[in-house]
Amino acid sequence: QKEVEQNSGPLSVPEGAIASLNCTYSDRGSQSFFWYRQYSGKSPELIMSIYSNGDKEDGRFTAQLNKASQYVSLLIRDSQPSDSATYLCAGGVRGQNFVFGPGTRLSVLP
Amino acid sequence: EAGVAQSPRYKIIEKRQSVAFWCNPISGHATLYWYQQILGQGPKLLIQFQNNGVVDDSQLPKDRFSAERLKGVDSTLKIQPAKLEDSAVYLCASSFTDYTEAFFGQGTRLTVV
Repeated sequence: QKEVEQNSGPLSVPEGAIASLNCTYSDRGSQSFFWYRQYSGKSPELIMSIYSNGDKEDGRFTAQLNKASQYVSLLIRDSQPSDSATYLCAGGVRGQNFVFGPGTRLSVLP
Repeated sequence: EAGVAQSPRYKIIEKRQSVAFWCNPISGHATLYWYQQILGQGPKLLIQFQNNGVVDDSQLPKDRFSAERLKGVDSTLKIQPAKLEDSAVYLCASSFTDYTEAFFGQGTRLTVV
């Protein structure tokens, strides 16, 4: 059974700081990785997708993937109170299912 | 581009009753997922379709849950009979292929009393 693990948090950071969210996965065959943001009472919203080793930047968000270490992370620069949410990591394998981690709750303090 | 549509948004039923949820994926998306999300937990995959075939239903409680995707487009998820522990949000998502980005509908919040 494939697993995706995340620290449940809560992770608290001050406004303007860098928030670092981490995720590990058990299936070495995983090919694609995604970070979703979920506000309370809302459905998950895609923030970033990453398919290759290295960094991928999009605005204030940077995803980092290390397939050898089976590790993927999300950095949020200049964190804002509006970034307070649960962040879900997910991994996908061609021909197989799409597995989510339990999520990390982030709280950005004004 | 229209997103994933789900209905109803909310449903309250008594235990042992039946309920059905409907999902219309993004046009052109071959892969469709149904997830169950219990408060405070990550989404749990119930069933994954590729076009109108089932890829994975290993975590679907088949004694009470059923799902179909006719003509490889719309999908329905049914629970019969419902139990108290089925109270959750049921999320439908779709993606172009089975390992690319999945996009979620607004979900259906089910309360079983």
